Amino acid sequence: DTGVSQDPRHKITKRGQNVTFRCDPISEHNRLYWYRQTLGQGPEFLTYFQNEAQLEKSRLLSDRFSAERPKGSFSTLEIQRTEQGDSAMYLCASNLAGYTDTQYFGPGTRLTVL
Amino acid sequence: AQRVTQPEKLLSVFKGAPVELKCNYSYSGSPELFWYVQYSRQRLQLLLRHISRESIKGFTADLNKGETSFHLKKPFAQEEDSAMYYCAIRGNTGKLIFGQGTTLQVKP
Repeated sequence: DTGVSQDPRHKITKRGQNVTFRCDPISEHNRLYWYRQTLGQGPEFLTYFQNEAQLEKSRLLSDRFSAERPKGSFSTLEIQRTEQGDSAMYLCASNLAGYTDTQYFGPGTRLTVL
Repeated sequence: AQRVTQPEKLLSVFKGAPVELKCNYSYSGSPELFWYVQYSRQRLQLLLRHISRESIKGFTADLNKGETSFHLKKPFAQEEDSAMYYCAIRGNTGKLIFGQGTTLQVKP
C-alpha cells in the first residue's frame, strides 16, 4: 500500500503523559498536513510542512503540541502533558504542491486521554 | 473569515430518491471547493472538486458564487452512497477548511 500511513492507529493514555504520533506521507509528496477531528466535527487544520519547513501553525496548536518533519519525509506530532480535551482523531494528509491540490489522507490515530 | 457550513447533520433518503447535501461557504477571493467522503471504516477520500467539473459515482456539485454554495447532488441514491460527506474549501496556504459533515443514510 503506497498511501499515507499513520502509527499508532489507537493510543490510550493517562492525563499528563506525553504521546507521539507518526505519519508517513506518499513518498514523492512534499507537503504534509496535520488535522484534528473531534466527535461530530469536521477535521480542523493544525499545521503543515513543505519539505522539512513548518510553514503554518493553527492557533489550535497550543504550546504543548509540537510537530517535526526532520528530513522532509515522515513527520511526528507530539503532545506533552496530555489533557482530556486532547482526545480526538489526529489525521495526516499529504500532497505534491504545484502538481495536485488533492490531499490524500491517512487512516488517523485515535487518541483517548483518561 | 473562511468558513464552511453544512446545515444538515443527517440526511436520510430511500434508495432511488434524489439527494442534495448542502454546503455554504464564506471566503474572500476565488475559492476552490471540494467534497470529501468517508465510508464506514475507511479513510477520508476526495469525491470531487469544483474545478474538474466531473461527475463521480453519479454525484455532481456546482459552484454558485452568488449564493456562495457548493451543494452536492445525485439524482438517484444508492445504498452504497451511505457515508459521511464533508464539504471543504482550500485556504490561501493550501490547508483545507472543512464543514461539520453530513451523514447520508440511504435506506433500502
